[in-house]
Amino acid sequence: DAKTTQPPSMDCAEGRAANLPCNHSTISGNEYVYWYRQIHSQGPQYIIHGLKNNETNEMASLIITEDRKSSTLILPHATLRDTAVYYCIASPSPGGGADGLTFGKGTHLIIQP
Amino acid sequence: SAVISQKPSRDICQRGTSLTIQCQVDSQVTMMFWYRQQPGQSLTLIATANQGSEATYESGFVIDKFPISRPNLTFSTLTVSNMSPEDSSIYLCSVESGGAEQYFGPGTRLTVT
Repeated sequence: DAKTTQPPSMDCAEGRAANLPCNHSTISGNEYVYWYRQIHSQGPQYIIHGLKNNETNEMASLIITEDRKSSTLILPHATLRDTAVYYCIASPSPGGGADGLTFGKGTHLIIQP
Repeated sequence: SAVISQKPSRDICQRGTSLTIQCQVDSQVTMMFWYRQQPGQSLTLIATANQGSEATYESGFVIDKFPISRPNLTFSTLTVSNMSPEDSSIYLCSVESGGAEQYFGPGTRLTVT
């Protein structure tokens, strides 16, 4: 799996959009970009994934650059409950396939009231 | 989606003893995974457990220390054997249910004294 790099921490004001960057410059053509988050004392939760195109669901939007070397997760209207560690993962198989997921250090997003 | 429960939710154990952690899923799944999360760290994959075959362990993890059972498509156990304080971690199971995401259990918080 390609290595991903994320800032260790970010702050965002409640109600504003939170933009979380991820660098995956060595990603290969068959690797998806996945985002999970882990709220304190809980198991990780899937957020969104994409291959080439931008994606949006009820939780977030994922913007992938044309060269696929980086991406941005956007939480459009952050709330205090969005405070969590966010993990960007590159994986060749949906759901991690037979190989599981390789977690990096993630970004600790803190939503300020 | 899949709902996962783990038992126990937490335990305090003495060094040299063993603890078996149970993972129950509310639907039949092919792939189950066990992860470890050491204090303040990210998740590390321990092994992949498929029903009817031996678990596949990641580098640095061995069967004698972390034996795994997978008796059916909804259940798995992970045993942490001959524990030392360095085994104090959160242990999480997850499943890949054929879709794009993995679902994680709430974790078992283990403290070894």
